[in-house]
Amino acid sequence: TQLLEQSPQFLSIQEGENLTVYCNSSSVFSSLQWYRQEPGEGPVLLVTVVTGGEVKKLKRLTFQFGDARKDSSLHITAAQTGDTGLYLCAGASGTASKLTFGTGTRLQVTL
Amino acid sequence: GAGVSQSPSNKVTEKGKDVELRCDPISGHTALYWYRQSLGQGLEFLIYFQGNSAPDKSGLPSDRFSAERTGGSVSTLTIQRTQQEDSAVYLCASSLRLAGGFSLAKNIQYFGAGTRLSVL
Repeated sequence: TQLLEQSPQFLSIQEGENLTVYCNSSSVFSSLQWYRQEPGEGPVLLVTVVTGGEVKKLKRLTFQFGDARKDSSLHITAAQTGDTGLYLCAGASGTASKLTFGTGTRLQVTL
Repeated sequence: GAGVSQSPSNKVTEKGKDVELRCDPISGHTALYWYRQSLGQGLEFLIYFQGNSAPDKSGLPSDRFSAERTGGSVSTLTIQRTQQEDSAVYLCASSLRLAGGFSLAKNIQYFGAGTRLSVL
């Protein structure tokens, strides 16, 4: 069974701070995706990383895929209250018929 | 519709009753997925459809759970003889993905808002 562990589980920070969320596994994935989910809604895709060592930037968010394609990180610079939500990583294997989701990181950004 | 639509948005039922959850995927999307999200947990894969067939049912937790898809569109997830541990948010997703191909863009899964099931 493939497992994806995320850390930290909960994070409460003030606006303007930086943070990093980690997603780790002992399994190799063909691609890894990051989602954000807000209360009462489904997850929304932020980014997909495919190549080991790949780094992608989405405004203040930086995503990195580990060289061995087993882990990933999400770094947020100068967090804003609008970044509040549940962040989920998800790994795909093969032709990605299903995603294995991480345990989630709940981020709260306050003024 | 423009997005994945799920109904009902909330369902409260008594232990032992059967429930049906519905998912309307994005028009033209051939792949459809069901996930379960329990309180404080990540998403747990249940079943995947490509067209009307389900190549991967590995995530269904017991034989009380079943799902079908008709006309390559609407899908229903049925839970028979519900138990309290079935309480969760059931999420549906669809993707454009066509059988036999692999394209990151076509594999992107778009999620509905989910059905919150409470079994009393």
